[in-house]
Amino acid sequence: QVQLVESGGGVVQPGRSLRFSCAASGFTFSSYGMHWVRQAPGKGLEWVAVISYDGTNKYYADSVKGRFTISRDNSKNTLYLQMNSLRADDTAVYHCARDLTAGSGGVLDYWGQGTLVTVSS
Amino acid sequence: DIQMTQSPSSLSAFVGDRVTITCQASQDISDYLNWYQQKPGKAPKLLIYDASKLETVVPSRFNGSGSGTDFTFTISSLQPEDIATYFCQQYDNLPYTFGQGTKLESK
Repeated sequence: QVQLVESGGGVVQPGRSLRFSCAASGFTFSSYGMHWVRQAPGKGLEWVAVISYDGTNKYYADSVKGRFTISRDNSKNTLYLQMNSLRADDTAVYHCARDLTAGSGGVLDYWGQGTLVTVSS
Repeated sequence: DIQMTQSPSSLSAFVGDRVTITCQASQDISDYLNWYQQKPGKAPKLLIYDASKLETVVPSRFNGSGSGTDFTFTISSLQPEDIATYFCQQYDNLPYTFGQGTKLESK
C-alpha cells in the first residue's frame, strides 16, 4: 500500500535552516508529482510547494518562495524540503502528499502523517 | 490567490443525520475542487475530487456537487467514524488553496 513517512522535524531557532525528508513506498515514486502542505497548530491547511515527477518543474507558495526548496531523489524514493531563514510563522506540521498526476495536477490522493517543525528561540 | 470560504466552521449532528458543508470560491474554478477528511493526529484523506467524483473505497454516503464558485459536500447519514474535520481545496490555479475547515462533532 502507498506509504509516505516524513522525518527530520524538530525545534529550530529563527533564521536557521532545516531539511526534512519524506520516504515513499508502495508505488512508483518516479511517476508522480509530489507536494508539501503545512498546518500551523490549530489552523487549516496551507499548500507549500510541488515538484513534478522528474524534478524539472517546481512551484512555491509566495510565503516560502526564495527561502524553501523542494527536491527529490527518485533513486531513493525520497522527497525533500530544504527550509532556510526560518521564521516563527513557519511553525507547523509539514505533510508530504502525492499528486494524482505526474505533475502539479492538484489532486492530493495520499498524504503522510506529517512532521512538526517548531521555530522558536 | 483564489480564496475558499467554507462554512460552517463547526457543526454538531446526531448519528444518522444528513450533514451539509459548503465551500465558495472567490472566482470561477470550474469543477477543480477536492474534499478531504482529517482526523486528529492523522493525515488528511482524499474523499472527493473533481467536485463530485468519489475516491476509491470511500463510502457512498459521501457526496459532492457544484461547479463554478459554489460547492456542497454532504454526508447522507452520519456515522460515528465520520467525526473529523473536513476541508475543501481548489486546484484550478496555483497556489492551491484550502477552506478553513469544518469541525464535525457528535451530539
